Amino acid sequence: AQRVTQPEKLLSVFKGAPVELKCNYSYSGSPELFWYVQYSRQRLQLLLRHISRESIKGFTADLNKGETSFHLKKPFAQEEDSAMYYCALSGNTDKLIFGTGTRLQVFP
Amino acid sequence: EADIYQTPRYLVIGTGKKITLECSQTMGHDKMYWYQQDPGMELHLIHYSYGVNSTEKGDLSSESTVSRIRTEHFPLTLESARPSHTSQYLCASVSVSYGYTFGSGTRLTVV
Repeated sequence: AQRVTQPEKLLSVFKGAPVELKCNYSYSGSPELFWYVQYSRQRLQLLLRHISRESIKGFTADLNKGETSFHLKKPFAQEEDSAMYYCALSGNTDKLIFGTGTRLQVFP
Repeated sequence: EADIYQTPRYLVIGTGKKITLECSQTMGHDKMYWYQQDPGMELHLIHYSYGVNSTEKGDLSSESTVSRIRTEHFPLTLESARPSHTSQYLCASVSVSYGYTFGSGTRLTVV
């Protein structure tokens, strides 16, 4: 069965600390993985996708097929990074399967 | 401006009422989706469409129905609202280049 697991509902760090939001997936084929972000009172938006191999707003995520993980990382968190982060998977269709999300709080 | 629009943003309605949640996009995308999200939970796909006159049910069973008479319009209807329908409903359209674009959502409360 296709599934995305985000084990942490809430992650709190201080400004300047490293951040890692965990995401594990279950999929039998070759998935496409995404991270979506929702800032306060804004709509859900794409942060990054694994095929792009980009760094967006200082965030990176590497697909590890051996560990079936797609953790989101940032070396130095900023207060403006506080938001809800969703990991999502797309299989052989466009349909997205979402995790339950992790709320990141960055304290000054 | 090319975007996806959902109305209303918030809706409080009595049990038994018929409601339609509007979703329109001006990007010319063929693929559109409705997701339902309860507080603190993941988004669940309830309906999708790959073009005009094409609609399919998603992974989560829903008593709602959808229609796709025009490319830009993908409304969701509840014939008789119940408190169990209280949730947030998100509409999205998809392009190959930019992936998903989500609307702002409709937060529905049925009392």
